[in-house]
Amino acid sequence: AQSVTQPDARVTVSEGASLQLRCKYSSSGTPYLFWYVQYPRQGLQLLLKYYSGDPVVQGVNGFEAEFSKSNSSFHLRKASVHWSDSAVYFCVLCPGTGGYKVVFGSGTRLLVSP
Amino acid sequence: NAGVIQTPRHKVTGKGQEATLWCEPISGHSAVFWYRQTIVQGLEFLTYFRNQAPIDDSGMPKERFSAQMPNQSHSTLKIQSTQPQDSAVYLCASSLDWGYEQYFGPGTRLTVL
Repeated sequence: AQSVTQPDARVTVSEGASLQLRCKYSSSGTPYLFWYVQYPRQGLQLLLKYYSGDPVVQGVNGFEAEFSKSNSSFHLRKASVHWSDSAVYFCVLCPGTGGYKVVFGSGTRLLVSP
Repeated sequence: NAGVIQTPRHKVTGKGQEATLWCEPISGHSAVFWYRQTIVQGLEFLTYFRNQAPIDDSGMPKERFSAQMPNQSHSTLKIQSTQPQDSAVYLCASSLDWGYEQYFGPGTRLTVL
């Protein structure tokens, strides 16, 4: 069975500090992986995606993520956070070939303090 | 590109009333998904259409929920005899096809009194 675990429900960082949000996945094959961000009263917005190839993928607004098959992880990183990055971040798995039903992580609420 | 459009953004119904939620997917996208989001359950899959055909409705509560996609430009989610436990944000998403990234609408917040 496919699953996604975001072990940190809440993360607080100071503005200008670096950020890592953790995501662990379980999949029988090589999944497609995504990070989405959700601002209050909005839908989910795609930050970045991984299908194959270079394990480090770049996204919008300075976000990047690194895929690790050995660690079954897809952690999100940002070098310097801004207060506007405060939001809920979801790690999402798509089973890949033949699969359409995505699996959502439980989300990590990020608070950037001034 | 206006993105995925969902209307209304907010809907308040009384217990037992009907609610119809609308979704306009991104033009050219063949896959349309409906999800329900609550604080307790998180994001739950409801149903999936591909090229307007219903593919999987395994997440839909059977008796009161139904979804349709009469044409490629819109889909509806209908909830009959709404109950307080139906209160949630209902999200619609579309993608080029299965396996591709999904683009989400802003959601419809349904409140059942």
